Amino acid sequence: GAGVSQSPSNKVTEKGKDVELRCDPISGHTALYWYRQRLGQGLEFLIYFQGNSAPDKSGLPSDRFSAERTGESVSTLTIQRTQQEDSAVYLCASSLAGAPGEQYFGPGTRLTVT
Amino acid sequence: AQTVTQSQPEMSVQEAETVTLSCTYDTSESDYYLFWYKQPPSRQMILVIRQEAYKQQNATENRFSVNFQKAAKSFSLKISDSQLGDAAMYFCAYRSRGSQGNLIFGKGTKLSVKP
Repeated sequence: GAGVSQSPSNKVTEKGKDVELRCDPISGHTALYWYRQRLGQGLEFLIYFQGNSAPDKSGLPSDRFSAERTGESVSTLTIQRTQQEDSAVYLCASSLAGAPGEQYFGPGTRLTVT
Repeated sequence: AQTVTQSQPEMSVQEAETVTLSCTYDTSESDYYLFWYKQPPSRQMILVIRQEAYKQQNATENRFSVNFQKAAKSFSLKISDSQLGDAAMYFCAYRSRGSQGNLIFGKGTKLSVKP
């Protein structure tokens, strides 16, 4: 079946602009995660959605970052007033409820803030 | 808080040879999962192998195996009969068992495979 998809693949924006990144999880996956990967670094957790529960926002680096998820489907990560340090690859992952951490990742969105 | 450390930024192996990638972690929990993910230039993170902390037996997946030393908090990945397609970034990751929460990643090891 289809894997996790993300759009756009690449995004270049000017400092101060808002951006929206989209993630389509695997159908039936109730858990959805957003991670950030800066150049040469590992992945940093940003936010986690599980079904209809309140999201775990503990990884969001500032109030410029927010995310929404519609039911158990699409999620959007929004970065307001982008800064150069926001330049990174943003990866989305999804998993089944109860699955022991087997997260399936999308190809990511490379964000460049000029 | 849990941390994951990969002390080898880059490694190189000759095709058909064996290479071991190191990973150590710090946690006060007794039950958790450990993972190795592969990230080729396409950016797609691919699960290579998974180890459940309560299992003493080391996990194996074809040419990939781990050496899990719980007391030492060490989780190394061995790749046997290395192939050109194994060239990628490899990330070690930790997740608590108690909740379906996020993965905690190391900074990665870049593996090159020489023909």
